[in-house]
Amino acid sequence: DGGITQSPKYLFRKEGQNVTLSCEQNLNHDAMYWYRQDPGQGLRLIYYSQIVNDFQKGDIAEGYSVSREKKESFPLTVTSAQKNPTAFYLCASSITVPEANVLTFGAGSRLTVL
Amino acid sequence: AQKITQTQPGMFVQEKEAVTLDCTYDTSDPSYGLFWYKQPSSGEMIFLIYQGSYDQQNATEGRYSLNFQKARKSANLVISASQLGDSAMYFCAMREDNTYTGNQFYFGTGTSLTVIP
Repeated sequence: DGGITQSPKYLFRKEGQNVTLSCEQNLNHDAMYWYRQDPGQGLRLIYYSQIVNDFQKGDIAEGYSVSREKKESFPLTVTSAQKNPTAFYLCASSITVPEANVLTFGAGSRLTVL
Repeated sequence: AQKITQTQPGMFVQEKEAVTLDCTYDTSDPSYGLFWYKQPSSGEMIFLIYQGSYDQQNATEGRYSLNFQKARKSANLVISASQLGDSAMYFCAMREDNTYTGNQFYFGTGTSLTVIP
């Protein structure tokens, strides 16, 4: 079955450490996205990529980095520069045909800074 | 200005009753799409229903329907015959189809729905 796989589901990090969240999709989607969700709030866009080897900053990119070396993969690194990284992170993908695309989400990764 | 506004932080509905979750949006693009997602306590975002800006009829998917009022820029979700499993957060979202910036997605802050037995 096609879908998006995020790993790990739960992650604990000490302050000052970088961590990388994995996102893999087998939907053959061109576009991929990373969102952050804080308790009781909506989704905020961190980064998105519409094509391999290209990505753009979203609304809250500071303290995060991404790469898009393969169509299927869009890993997110939460760096030590991110002051408040404890949150739920959602990866999504979509086709890029206008008027037709829908975001498909992974199950999410919950990051806790100790 | 907020792109998507959901004014109901929490809603309660009796089992088997219908409930309407409100959503208003703001865009100047002629082409856009409106979505509703369900987020149960497990955290996954489940796509429920989609309405395109050029669609003449309201979208329906089983017990879900989207009440699309273009002039009022509203896209309310109607859930008929509520079930206990409908208890979750519900997010309204919009996709703007911008020629220059590509597809941009915007989310509301969500409505927490609780179905009462």
